[in-house]
Amino acid sequence: IAGITQAPTSQILAAGRRMTLRCTQDMRHNAMYWYRQDLGLGLRLIHYSNTAGTTGKGEVPDGYSVSRANTDDFPLTLASAVPSQTSVYFCASSQQGSSDTQYFGPGTRLTVL
Amino acid sequence: GQNIDQPTEMTATEGAIVQINCTYQTSGFNGLFWYQQHAGEAPTFLSYNVLDGLEEKGRFSSFLSRSKGYSYLLLKELQMKDSASYLCASMDSNYQLIWGAGTKLIIKP
Repeated sequence: IAGITQAPTSQILAAGRRMTLRCTQDMRHNAMYWYRQDLGLGLRLIHYSNTAGTTGKGEVPDGYSVSRANTDDFPLTLASAVPSQTSVYFCASSQQGSSDTQYFGPGTRLTVL
Repeated sequence: GQNIDQPTEMTATEGAIVQINCTYQTSGFNGLFWYQQHAGEAPTFLSYNVLDGLEEKGRFSSFLSRSKGYSYLLLKELQMKDSASYLCASMDSNYQLIWGAGTKLIIKP
């Protein structure tokens, strides 16, 4: 692995189903982030983690949960998917979580029907 | 409120110069980032400014004026591969990035 990987690449999901988007980084970065990107809008922060064992809410956290059991992994869970969660989801990481550059994974395209 | 404004779309000619402007209003300020995003791909880092002035990196330069809440990205000697969206993001007092919607740059031969 080099950088950040996300899985799956794309997914079509029925409304009401539970879904976990996976994110793994091998750069030993302390901070990790989940964003969603919708047409005509900027990237919006869903949840973040400044270090393993801690998480925080971003701008649009409702309907999503995260965990950070270790440095490398930061999964995002949709407990009961709704059509408004149709989006492209990007995971990112940075060394310190402050002014450090964020590096992005390739994204997951999620469609909720 | 927090707000980032940048043009939705710009068109330029191969070999020319283009300037993409960004104005920002955020709660506190810890720097201004520019990212490039090709269609269907992830954003990739281009530049970071925290002090006033111009930062040059090859064909790309970025300028910041903190007093005016203004930044621009300057792309010289445009190439077809520069066709992409350019995202402006301001880091607020909580060290969170507030993103603009992006400027889609179309390069014509």
